[in-house]
Amino acid sequence: DTEVTQTPKHLVMGMTNKKSLKCEQHMGHRAMYWYKQKAKKPPELMFVYSYEKLSINESVPSRFSPECPNSSLLNLHLHALQPEDSALYLCASSLRGGRGALSYEQYFGPGTRLTVT
Amino acid sequence: ELKVEQNPLFLSMQEGKNYTIYCNYSTTSDRLYWYRQDPGKSLESLFVLLSNGAVKQEGRLMASLDTKARLSTLHITAAVHDLSATYFCAVDGGSQGNLIFGKGTKLSVKP
Repeated sequence: DTEVTQTPKHLVMGMTNKKSLKCEQHMGHRAMYWYKQKAKKPPELMFVYSYEKLSINESVPSRFSPECPNSSLLNLHLHALQPEDSALYLCASSLRGGRGALSYEQYFGPGTRLTVT
Repeated sequence: ELKVEQNPLFLSMQEGKNYTIYCNYSTTSDRLYWYRQDPGKSLESLFVLLSNGAVKQEGRLMASLDTKARLSTLHITAAVHDLSATYFCAVDGGSQGNLIFGKGTKLSVKP
């Protein structure tokens, strides 16, 4: 299995809602990432989990709350989002997050298209 | 601050023509990645370049890396419409494996 899956594919939520995005991989990867991508822009890193521990938080607002329950699963909990948070949210994984010949090759999931109304 | 610059940002090509996309970066990273993204879709890994002088080819695409010049190129040979997409290069952002992306090159191949 060489794939990263994400659910849901599309999500529309109001500013008072609470929702979660889910990401899963079964490649034995120990680093997982959340990226946010606005239209016609490159992906921007939000969070990095390495061996189930949060290792990077790129100054993301607290209305985004990541969780890594185990090495295969990564969640992103959303609460009180703003319309400007509408974007494509991409999850990625890599073999590991430290130094190593292939440790950085990241495999991306299909993304969740989020619209905040 | 690590910077990754791609050019051109937009490229309109005719089928059958050749062209090169350039990716310059500002650190001493010796690993560089090329991704393809179709509209509304996720990123597809094209090439992983792991050392100075690395060259990889897949179909009509060939990527190379010159770590001394901090430059990677993505060369397109005899373009076809199916190659129309946005191409991103990315380099290591640090010890945690995060990637820093260029702004992307939107390629449009016309008949």
